[in-house]
Amino acid sequence: ILNVEQSPQSLHVQEGDSTNFTCSFPSSNFYALHWYRWETAKSPEALFVMTLNGDEKKKGRISATLNTKEGYSYLYIKGSQPEDSATYLCAFEDNYGQNFVFGPGTRLSVLP
Amino acid sequence: SQTIHQWPATLVQPVGSPLSLECTVEGTSNPNLYWYRQAAGRGLQLLFYSVGIGQISSEVPQNLSASRPQDRQFILSSKKLLLSDSGFYLCAWFDREGAGELFFGEGSRLTVL
Repeated sequence: ILNVEQSPQSLHVQEGDSTNFTCSFPSSNFYALHWYRWETAKSPEALFVMTLNGDEKKKGRISATLNTKEGYSYLYIKGSQPEDSATYLCAFEDNYGQNFVFGPGTRLSVLP
Repeated sequence: SQTIHQWPATLVQPVGSPLSLECTVEGTSNPNLYWYRQAAGRGLQLLFYSVGIGQISSEVPQNLSASRPQDRQFILSSKKLLLSDSGFYLCAWFDREGAGELFFGEGSRLTVL
């Protein structure tokens, strides 16, 4: 059974703070690592899909890095805003598009 | 553009009753389709995935089943619901032609009493 872990489980930060979360995943049979943002009452939406060791991706104030050799990825949010409040999920993809295993998520609350 | 719909959005069912959740995808052909469940306080658990009509892979042994009678239709069923089946169910499809990400439906909240 594949095990994908995320830490911390939850996080409360003040508006303007920068923060980061961790996703750890198996280093074998790796195809891609996904990050999703899941806001309350909405469906999860993709932030990044990363496939290569050393990948770094950025979208606005959010960025992510990938280390496939040691099996971890970091998601960074710079200058957190209340609208960033959501659960952030990572998912490990093996065997291209057949199996996506999600971590338990990190719930972020940004206080104004 | 592609869209995904699932229904019903909310369902309250007694223990032992049957279940049918339906998911359809528009604007694409031969997608991979997935059913996930989020139980209270937990992450997304993969229940079933399908790479084509009639092809179903089960990830977790349970009293649920899935079927794919048409290319863009994915159905989650149960003959007799258990209390532990309560949760939030999400259907998703995989975009092979795009950025390789999953697209999720709106979700179905099931409460078994």
